[in-house]
Amino acid sequence: EVQLLESGGGLVQPGGSLRLSCTASGFTFSNYVMNWARQAPGKGLEWVSSISGSGGNINYADSVKGRFTISRDNSKNTLDLQMNSLRAEDTAVYYCGRGRGNIYYFDFWGQGILVTVSS
Amino acid sequence: DIQMTQSPSSVSASVGDSVTMTCRASQGISSWLAWYQQKPGKAPKLLIYTASTLQSAVPSRFSGSGSGTDFTLTISSLQPEDFATYYCQQANRFPLTFGGGTKVEIK
Repeated sequence: EVQLLESGGGLVQPGGSLRLSCTASGFTFSNYVMNWARQAPGKGLEWVSSISGSGGNINYADSVKGRFTISRDNSKNTLDLQMNSLRAEDTAVYYCGRGRGNIYYFDFWGQGILVTVSS
Repeated sequence: DIQMTQSPSSVSASVGDSVTMTCRASQGISSWLAWYQQKPGKAPKLLIYTASTLQSAVPSRFSGSGSGTDFTLTISSLQPEDFATYYCQQANRFPLTFGGGTKVEIK
């Protein structure tokens, strides 16, 4: 059974940092692209970042470029999102999602984790 | 960036009705489109990918069509568990983009 479990969320002050992790199980992690998306309270879905199976191809939304860093460890089946210089508008539920092979859909999603940026 | 526009933003329907919603891309995306269902407080769930391919275990009352810039999701014979918000997403090029959603509500 495919499972994705996010961790690392919480409350952080503006300008602060937070590192989200997504632990995967039930599939061969390195064979799949992985994604992060977010959803601000009461709003729609927003793509954040994606990484290829090898980690060699990385993309970011303009809204997070230069502040967020995506990475993966295929030996540990983990996907990370390092978030720096956080702003109030980064407040959202963050989801990790598995791609469909090497295609950038989200065919399985984690349960989501809340990040709140507030003083 | 490719903008994805969904319509209507909400629709009221009864159990047993057929519901169709649309997703329009600001430029051609071939068939690189997915549809998701999201219920309140839950993660989204993939329903359809590549515009018309049903994800495993998704009921056959869901169907998708279209290519290029115009796409539709149809739910035939709406069931109580189908009341939710539906999003489209293009996977043709980065940045990946989602539509604003269509909320299916109980009439």
